[in-house]
Amino acid sequence: QVQLQESGPGLVKPSETLSLTCAVSGSSISGYYWSWIRQSPEKGLEWIGYIYYSGSTNYNPSLKSRVTISVDTSKNQFSLRLSSVTAADTAVYYCARSTYYYGSGTYFHDYWGQGALVTVSS
Amino acid sequence: QSVLTQPPSASGTPGQRVTISCSGSSSNIGSNTVNWYQQLPGTAPKLLIYSNNQRPSGVPDRFSGSKSGASGSLAISGLQSEDEADYYCAAWDDSLNGFWVFGGGTKLTVL
Repeated sequence: QVQLQESGPGLVKPSETLSLTCAVSGSSISGYYWSWIRQSPEKGLEWIGYIYYSGSTNYNPSLKSRVTISVDTSKNQFSLRLSSVTAADTAVYYCARSTYYYGSGTYFHDYWGQGALVTVSS
Repeated sequence: QSVLTQPPSASGTPGQRVTISCSGSSSNIGSNTVNWYQQLPGTAPKLLIYSNNQRPSGVPDRFSGSKSGASGSLAISGLQSEDEADYYCAAWDDSLNGFWVFGGGTKLTVL
């Protein structure tokens, strides 16, 4: 079955860069869009951005200046970097797969990782 | 606050039917489909409904979705205690280069 697993530091200092990796098993990275989504009590669920297996990206306009998402097809994984973090970036970070539904020409997030809590604090 | 508007809470007794609304705008729900997710405490969101009214395999037919104009709706019939969870709607927003937006979530309590 498809499984996604986030990994990375759980504690990041203010002004530094948050880095997470999502390892995908049971599904090829190829042919799908892969998203990062975060959740905090203050902001709820917030989409950060996605990457296509070919490397094309799209980011949330509110985070675009600080976000970089990359993909490593050889390792079947993709990564998130969020720079200049503040306490407001403290959240549970999820990686998720987007699947295309031909019936309506739309997408949905069908598989999610278990989530990684990242705390921004000195 | 979230781009899509949901009631913060809903409740019902076992066996009842409850509905949860999700209000958006012309740039998101008004021009794209709605997806729904269920989140049990301490777990990741789980896909419940996609493309307004499609159920993934394994999701009971007690769960159904609909869309009208710029609003979506999730209905749960034959309410069960295990349905107590947070429910979120999501849609693609066509503004700028496009991005996913979510509702603030509705906490469903089974009385």
